[in-house]
Amino acid sequence: RKEVEQDPGPFNVPEGATVAFNCTYSNSASQSFFWYRQDCRKEPKLLMSVYSSGNEDGRFTAQLNRASQYISLLIRDSKLSDSATYLCVVRVTGGGNKLTFGTGTQLKVEL
Amino acid sequence: NAGVTQTPKFQVLKTGQSMTLQCAQDMNHEYMSWYRQDPGMGLRLIHYSVGAGITDQGEVPNGYNVSRSTTEDFPLRLLSAAPSQTSVYFCASSIQGTLDYEQYFGPGTRLTVT
Repeated sequence: RKEVEQDPGPFNVPEGATVAFNCTYSNSASQSFFWYRQDCRKEPKLLMSVYSSGNEDGRFTAQLNRASQYISLLIRDSKLSDSATYLCVVRVTGGGNKLTFGTGTQLKVEL
Repeated sequence: NAGVTQTPKFQVLKTGQSMTLQCAQDMNHEYMSWYRQDPGMGLRLIHYSVGAGITDQGEVPNGYNVSRSTTEDFPLRLLSAAPSQTSVYFCASSIQGTLDYEQYFGPGTRLTVT
């Protein structure tokens, strides 16, 4: 089982739609969680950290469910410019203190 | 600030050749790392450094060497290129090595080994 699993998509949604992605992680020692955004053939960039209480940044909402070991990203009122791949990233304490990246979920927002 | 810069952007090597991928950052970040990204796989950590003079292995270190003689620079050396090293390589830096801080990535180097 992969340490971090994401549905690769693509998710094709019309502009203005609400879309949600989930990401599951296998290591219960996971400590910190992030969503990164990666545009085609570009470098990843931090979209938002995910806090235990959930957090919101404009149209983006991130949630953490430790009991079920998943994080989610909700995008409201999708824009064409939201088209990208969204990477789920988990930090695991112990065993090297490293970041583990999911393979990403591709979002395509269409007119 | 230029952020994290990487050179070259593209490179084609023949099997057995060696080369160095350059990475530099001007943000005075202590932590720097190298990742490779392959289709269907997440970014995988090759080597990392928590400060000048200190380096350590990541998840996939075989075939690569690194050094960190200054805070700014963190070159990645391919010792004897193999087709399995065809990938996109990203260098990243962050303020500290606790990994709770934003990772700033360079634009990447696309390497093809024939």
